[in-house]
Amino acid sequence: AQSVAQPEDQVNVAEGNPLTVKCTYSVSGNPYLFWYVQYPNRGLQFLLKYITGDNLVKGSYGFEAEFNKSQTSFHLKKPSALVSDSALYFCAVRPRGSASKIIFGSGTRLSIRP
Amino acid sequence: DAGVTQSPTHLIKTRGQQVTLRCSPISGHKSVSWYQQVLGQGPQFIFQYYEKEERGRGNFPDRFSARQFPNYSSELNVNALLLGDSALYLCASSLNPAAGQGSTDTQYFGPGTRLTVL
Repeated sequence: AQSVAQPEDQVNVAEGNPLTVKCTYSVSGNPYLFWYVQYPNRGLQFLLKYITGDNLVKGSYGFEAEFNKSQTSFHLKKPSALVSDSALYFCAVRPRGSASKIIFGSGTRLSIRP
Repeated sequence: DAGVTQSPTHLIKTRGQQVTLRCSPISGHKSVSWYQQVLGQGPQFIFQYYEKEERGRGNFPDRFSARQFPNYSSELNVNALLLGDSALYLCASSLNPAAGQGSTDTQYFGPGTRLTVL
């Protein structure tokens, strides 16, 4: 079955330190990969996506993600965390050949302490 | 430009009732998708519509239905509500999903409708 795993329910980081939010997937072929962020009582906001090409993708708000095909991972990273980065982060994949369905992970709550 | 809009923001219904949720896509977007997000979980795909036709359906019962109008707005209907239908319902729009092919289109989400079934 196709799935997306976010192994950490919560990640705690001090402001100014680098952060990583992990994501692995189990989808056949070469899927498209996405990261979204959700703030309280808000919908999902698009951060970045990997389609093809360079394994390091840069997105909004200073976030980037590294695609690793051999490990089927797409970890979200930021060199220096801000308190305002505190939110719920979702990794998602769309299998190639699927125009519609996006499979989301269960989410990771990122907490940045001052 | 305005983003994806959804109405109502919140809704309270009782078991057995029916509910209609509404979504207006970003101007120029022709595709709308619906997702259900139960508390503590990631969104689950329900439907996608493009050019007023259903282009994808998730693993949801027939109590769930949707349609898309000529102006590309969409409605999600849920009949015979169950307690387990309580969730945040998210609508997402995209430009052109090129149904049947792998699409690189990004989906942009609205703020959601919080449905509570008592």
